[in-house]
Amino acid sequence: AQTVTQSQPEMSVQEAETVTLSCTYDTSESDYYLFWYKQPPSRQMILVIRQEAYKQQNATENRFSVNFQKAAKSFSLKISDSQLGDAAMYFCAYKVREANNLFFGTGTRLTVIP
Amino acid sequence: DAGVTQSPTHLIKTRGQQVTLRCSPKSGHDTVSWYQQALGQGPQFIFQYYEEEERQRGNFPDRFSGHQFPNYSSELNVNALLLGDSALYLCASSLALQYTQYFGPGTRLTVL
Repeated sequence: AQTVTQSQPEMSVQEAETVTLSCTYDTSESDYYLFWYKQPPSRQMILVIRQEAYKQQNATENRFSVNFQKAAKSFSLKISDSQLGDAAMYFCAYKVREANNLFFGTGTRLTVIP
Repeated sequence: DAGVTQSPTHLIKTRGQQVTLRCSPKSGHDTVSWYQQALGQGPQFIFQYYEEEERQRGNFPDRFSGHQFPNYSSELNVNALLLGDSALYLCASSLALQYTQYFGPGTRLTVL
């Protein structure tokens, strides 16, 4: 079974500081993709960053970067210079290359303290 | 560049009724997926439509059905509503040959 686990239901970070959100996944597939989505109170699921499993280099998008450890099946998200607008639910998601659906974790609620 | 749009924003129904939710994909996208997000949970995949056909289905009963139109927009229909169908319904669009899905703002369905 393909599962995605986010072990931190809630996290908080001081504005301008750095925070890391954890995600692990279970799969027997070798070709897949990983994503972090952000869901603010407005409910819209916004793509933050994505990673192809065949790429060893960790993806980076401005203040957001990932630490992808394929052997450990770990995919953590690091947010640098946290801003008030980063406060949201963050979901880790996984997709097998041949499949059409995303598997989501249960989310981590991030609070940014001014 | 228009993103994914969904209508209505909110909907209240009673048990046993039927509901139709609508989705217009991001400009240029040809594939639409539907997800159900219960309160406090991550989204669960319902099904995906491509070329007006259901391409893949998640673990949802036949009460959940869909349709895709020639302009790639899509509808999600739920019959014989149950209290447990109360959730946020998210539509996501993508290009068939690409792997990233982009989400709409969702429709909040409340079943009383």
